[in-house]
Amino acid sequence: DQQVKQNSPSLSVQEGRISILNCDYTNSMFDYFLWYKKYPAEGPTFLISISSIKDKNEDGRFTVFLNKSAKHLSLHIVPSQPGDSAVYFCAASLNNAGNMLTFGGGTRLMVKP
Amino acid sequence: EAQVTQNPRYLITVTGKKLTVTCSQNMNHEYMSWYRQDPGLGLRQIYYSMNVEVTDKGDVPEGYKVSRKEKRNFPLILESPSPNQTSLYFCASSSSRAPLGGELFFGEGSRLTVL
Repeated sequence: DQQVKQNSPSLSVQEGRISILNCDYTNSMFDYFLWYKKYPAEGPTFLISISSIKDKNEDGRFTVFLNKSAKHLSLHIVPSQPGDSAVYFCAASLNNAGNMLTFGGGTRLMVKP
Repeated sequence: EAQVTQNPRYLITVTGKKLTVTCSQNMNHEYMSWYRQDPGLGLRQIYYSMNVEVTDKGDVPEGYKVSRKEKRNFPLILESPSPNQTSLYFCASSSSRAPLGGELFFGEGSRLTVL
């Protein structure tokens, strides 16, 4: 059973608007969450992360929100740009296990010009 | 340039023919791992290694072997490939001093097809 789920396999957004990608998890022991971005024919690259002691982390156009009670996190991209079109994976880490991550299934974001 | 290099990038093989996918990193990272990516399932960990001569199973280790004889190399071995191992494979590495949660650096991927 998947412990990290991204229920939307794809999302289409107009350039300049907000993109919101969602991720749910089942294991309440997860204490660190990350988002990775993947372009075709390339490996995933780290985008942004958040510790379970925070509820928000912002980096430029990217903001991650964490709702521990709902076991839910989301990635907001504002404003969305065509270059943001990619597959986004959320991932979670357990008990300071550091490098061992559990990934969600990914959401393909398409930003239309 | 800091990178994780995988070879081959593309491979078509037949059932039962042993193959090895190589992975090398030039960042002196202690931690290395292998993932497979399948549609709808995301990235699932196959094996990982915390350091030289230290390896352990991930979530989907069946049908795979690994070795870590040198810090920079972490090959993935399929002794007798089967069609259900057709997938996109990624090698990744990180420093043991990475931020909590382990920011991973990924290779470009190896697409394997087993007929």
